[in-house]
Amino acid sequence: QKEVEQDPGPLSVPEGAIVSLNCTYSNSAFQYFMWYRQYSRKGPELLMYTYSSGNKEDGRFTAQVDKSSKYISLFIRDSQPSDSATYLCAMSETGGGADGLTFGKGTHLIIQP
Amino acid sequence: GAVVSQHPSRVICKSGTSVKIECRSLDFQATTMFWYRQFPKQSLMLMATSNEGSKATYEQGVEKDKFLINHASLTLSTLTVTSAHPEDSSFYICSASGTGEGVTDTQYFGPGTRLTVL
Repeated sequence: QKEVEQDPGPLSVPEGAIVSLNCTYSNSAFQYFMWYRQYSRKGPELLMYTYSSGNKEDGRFTAQVDKSSKYISLFIRDSQPSDSATYLCAMSETGGGADGLTFGKGTHLIIQP
Repeated sequence: GAVVSQHPSRVICKSGTSVKIECRSLDFQATTMFWYRQFPKQSLMLMATSNEGSKATYEQGVEKDKFLINHASLTLSTLTVTSAHPEDSSFYICSASGTGEGVTDTQYFGPGTRLTVL
């Protein structure tokens, strides 16, 4: 079993829809959870950063962490064609950028105009 | 703030040659830098972690003699792929964490370097 599981998609939704992206993980020591957006042949861009369980909202993006279920989600409201990209979940045991991150495979998201 | 650059963005080389990739933090001090590798449709895999002035720590299965990492200053780390072979063809991405104005408690990624070995 891989440490982080993420459905690679592609996930195609119409413009304006609410998008739900998810990851599951097996390492209960993970405490810091991130979502990155990656455009083709570019480096990942940090979208959301959360610690432990709970919700965090930033504009159209909401990140949820459920440590008891080892399950994290990213919701995108009012999705736009410019949101089309690959979304990567990542996690680590310690924060502060001290440890390397464990990534999911990424979900390829397509927002249809 | 918190910009990381990589050079070159793309390199094509012949099998058996060595290739050096540079990773720079442009506006902050990178106390720790990380090197990842990403194969097509795969996740980023951590190769090694380096702290300024110290030897890099390599992940299991990554050959330290093949992937030479130098982190000689707080703004520069280099990855040298020695005697490159076609199976080393991949997208290499660095990230950095550290201190500075506008720098938060996370890693900042460079734009990546696409290596193709013929």
